[in-house]
Amino acid sequence: AQKVTQAQTEISVVEKEDVTLDCVYETRDTTYYLFWYKQPPSGELVFLIRRNSFDEQNEISGRYSWNFQKSTSSFNFTITASQVVDSAVYFCALEVRGGSEKLVFGKGTKLTVNP
Amino acid sequence: GAGVSQSPRYKVAKRGQDVALRCDPISGHVSLFWYQQALGQGPEFLTYFQNEAQLDKSGLPSDRFFAERPEGSVSTLKIQRTQQEDSAVYLCASRKTSGRTGELFFGEGSRLTVL
Repeated sequence: AQKVTQAQTEISVVEKEDVTLDCVYETRDTTYYLFWYKQPPSGELVFLIRRNSFDEQNEISGRYSWNFQKSTSSFNFTITASQVVDSAVYFCALEVRGGSEKLVFGKGTKLTVNP
Repeated sequence: GAGVSQSPRYKVAKRGQDVALRCDPISGHVSLFWYQQALGQGPEFLTYFQNEAQLDKSGLPSDRFFAERPEGSVSTLKIQRTQQEDSAVYLCASRKTSGRTGELFFGEGSRLTVL
């Protein structure tokens, strides 16, 4: 079965703090994709990153970085020097093999960055 | 249009009413997905279209849910005899290709409240 677990329901930090959002996934597939999406109050899901299961290199994009570890089935997301505009719900997702390439989402982590 | 457009943004229905939710994907996008997002939860897959063909409807919760994309562009999600448990945000997403490449773009969703 495909499953994504985001154990942190809510996180609150003060601006400029670093924060890590955890994501653990389950799949029997050897080839899969992992994603992170941001959902601001407007409701639209904003794509942040897609990672192929064969590529375990960590990635950095500005203040965002991702740590993919197949050994622990984790794909954690770190925001460095958080800002108020980072406040949103963040979702980790796993792409299921098969014709539809549908996504299985975790329940999300609500991040609040306080000034 | 520039992004995925959904209408109505908000819909209040009395239990037992039929509702129709519309999705205008990005022009030329082949793949179209519908997801259901209950309050405080991650999106859950409902159905997938490749052009006008509905290739996966495994996520539709009951036969009261019906989706179509007759001309391979605009899609409509119809819910018959609405129930309170249908209250959720319905998200539409589109992708340029039918393969796993390419970013998935989400609309802002249609929030359905069933009284």
